Amino acid sequence: GAVVSQHPSWVICKSGTSVKIECRSLDFQATTMFWYRQFPKQSLMLMATSNEGSKATYEQGVEKDKFLINHASLTLSTLTVTSAHPEDSSFYICSASPPRGRGNTIYFGEGSWLTVV
Amino acid sequence: GENVEQHPSTLSVQEGDSAVIKCTYSDSASNYFPWYKQELGKRPQLIIDIRSNVGEKKDQRIAVTLNKTAKHFSLHITETQPEDSAVYFCAAPAAGGYQKVTFGTGTKLQVIP
Repeated sequence: GAVVSQHPSWVICKSGTSVKIECRSLDFQATTMFWYRQFPKQSLMLMATSNEGSKATYEQGVEKDKFLINHASLTLSTLTVTSAHPEDSSFYICSASPPRGRGNTIYFGEGSWLTVV
Repeated sequence: GENVEQHPSTLSVQEGDSAVIKCTYSDSASNYFPWYKQELGKRPQLIIDIRSNVGEKKDQRIAVTLNKTAKHFSLHITETQPEDSAVYFCAAPAAGGYQKVTFGTGTKLQVIP
């Protein structure tokens, strides 16, 4: 099946710094990818839609200047958490789907644990 | 947008018993309902899904039922095993297409040996 890979799987950063998380579709082109955030013992919440070659679309309540999304190629989307604070510590996970015709299955990356100290 | 509610939040069953998790959704246009199993610190794994043109789907010990009129769908796990212990999420398409979903709040299932 299709594979979506995410990196890094875990990262620790200091408050005030920025951290970048990458999401790659390994065997299909994804014009659209999605970023979710999951706090401990909670559900996955959609943060934004990453659109190749154009601006990301953010869900209500998600700060676009804090969570920068870049989708510069058909196989890579990046999420940058800027000026990170401890409350940004969470599990971040991306998803993508192959083009229609290869099924409607959603493939998730492995997820990235972010800890801000 | 879609609103998905899931019950119960926790569920403990004896090994070999059945487990049922229920979800309701708000958007009558939704037509795809996946169920995911998530182990701690890992990505959600699709365990079964159902489309709106059928009322039930079964895959070995796992089944999903869909009632479009009432806008609810349920996950049924029979002959539960300790390895079924995990958090289960239902989902429904979020506004804008099939590629993104709105997740339910999750059910932590514990199968007691």
